[in-house]
Amino acid sequence: DQQVKQNSPSLSVQEGRISILNCDYTNSMFDYFLWYKKYPAEGPTFLISISSIKDKNEDGRFTVFLNKSAKHLSLHIVPSQPGDSAVYFCAASPHSGNTPLVFGKGTRLSVIA
Amino acid sequence: GAGVSQSPSNKVTEKGKDVELRCDPISGHTALYWYRQSLGQGLEFLIYFQGNSAPDKSGLPSDRFSAERTGGSVSTLTIQRTQQEDSAVYLCASMTGGGGNTIYFGEGSWLTVV
Repeated sequence: DQQVKQNSPSLSVQEGRISILNCDYTNSMFDYFLWYKKYPAEGPTFLISISSIKDKNEDGRFTVFLNKSAKHLSLHIVPSQPGDSAVYFCAASPHSGNTPLVFGKGTRLSVIA
Repeated sequence: GAGVSQSPSNKVTEKGKDVELRCDPISGHTALYWYRQSLGQGLEFLIYFQGNSAPDKSGLPSDRFSAERTGGSVSTLTIQRTQQEDSAVYLCASMTGGGGNTIYFGEGSWLTVV
């Protein structure tokens, strides 16, 4: 039973346009959410996070939106660049307690020049 | 180094052999995780160490898998009698504390069982 779902295995976007990656979760105890980016043959790297007390967090070209009532979050990348091409993983955790992050299966983003 | 270090980076082993994968977490990080990613799959949680607490082993797929963390730092993941379905990249990550913080991954150990 997947607690974190990324329903789009892949996404293709033109350079300069907006990329929107979606993530849904089922566990209402989750209140801390993260996005990781993974290039081939490398470990995942932290990108951006959001706590449930916020509905938006922005860092440069990356913005994460959280809709708690819908148990949905999304990562927006604008403008998209070819170097953004990677697999993006959504992860979630209760803020307190010793529990591991639960990851989605990832979405492969391809930014076409 | 400043990051999470894993070794070996690549390992090819014959079916039935045992393998050991090593992880050096970021200095001062008390929490350590092992995940794996099989081809076409997401990140699968295996085991979690937090300080001196008993590890959370709930993600280990079978009793052929075990892990230990010596001295609260270096961790070794051992896979006994390897099977072809064990082929994956095994990722170690560390974190400063328990719950809700960012974890930092190593580059992974790529295991191929032939």
